[in-house]
Amino acid sequence: DAGVIQSPRHEVTEMGQEVTLRCKPISGHNSLFWYRQTMMRGLELLIYFNNNVPIDDSGMPEDRFSAKMPNASFSTLKIQPSEPRDSAVYFCASRFQGANYGYTFGSGTRLTVV
Amino acid sequence: LAKTTQPISMDSYEGQEVNITCSHNNIATNDYITWYQQFPSQGPRFIIQGYKTKVTNEVASLFIPADRKSSTLSLPRVSLSDTAVYYCLVGRRAAGNKLTFGGGTRVLVKP
Repeated sequence: DAGVIQSPRHEVTEMGQEVTLRCKPISGHNSLFWYRQTMMRGLELLIYFNNNVPIDDSGMPEDRFSAKMPNASFSTLKIQPSEPRDSAVYFCASRFQGANYGYTFGSGTRLTVV
Repeated sequence: LAKTTQPISMDSYEGQEVNITCSHNNIATNDYITWYQQFPSQGPRFIIQGYKTKVTNEVASLFIPADRKSSTLSLPRVSLSDTAVYYCLVGRRAAGNKLTFGGGTRVLVKP
């Protein structure tokens, strides 16, 4: 099992540009979560999906952020337009219903907006 | 969601046992206690989960008293590679239920 796969691993972009982060959850997992981590705010849950349906997006900072999950094996987090304060590490995690273990996180995407 | 409180940081030495206590006074009947470990530049990793009494796996032990208002993660004989941030989370184990991470405990293992 390759685990949760995130791409790109690092992204440097200029303010105002569109950024798309990608996530492939573990096959068979039916819940997917996007987190953001910064030194100041720690790990914040942005949005999560159950069976490809967004359940709670209350953590999404503002309308510049959007997330989609077109199928069970792929999700995207888009920021348009990006701002320097969006610089953070973005993690994707997935989980299997009924499992007695926790989430499996990806290695994250380190985003730097200059 | 039950709020958790844990020490900001702890120092230890190789070979020692490290115990991290987490307070969760408002834990609900259906809540489980879960601990995660995060190394620098990596995502959090599930360590252990429990509901009451004691749970042990190959990585750690989790002690939960009868009132469940606190829990203690025990790392036996730590090594330098156990230097990480450890998060205590409390919530329902039901599928899709979101987990909220607090500040965690930064454990530094010294040689």
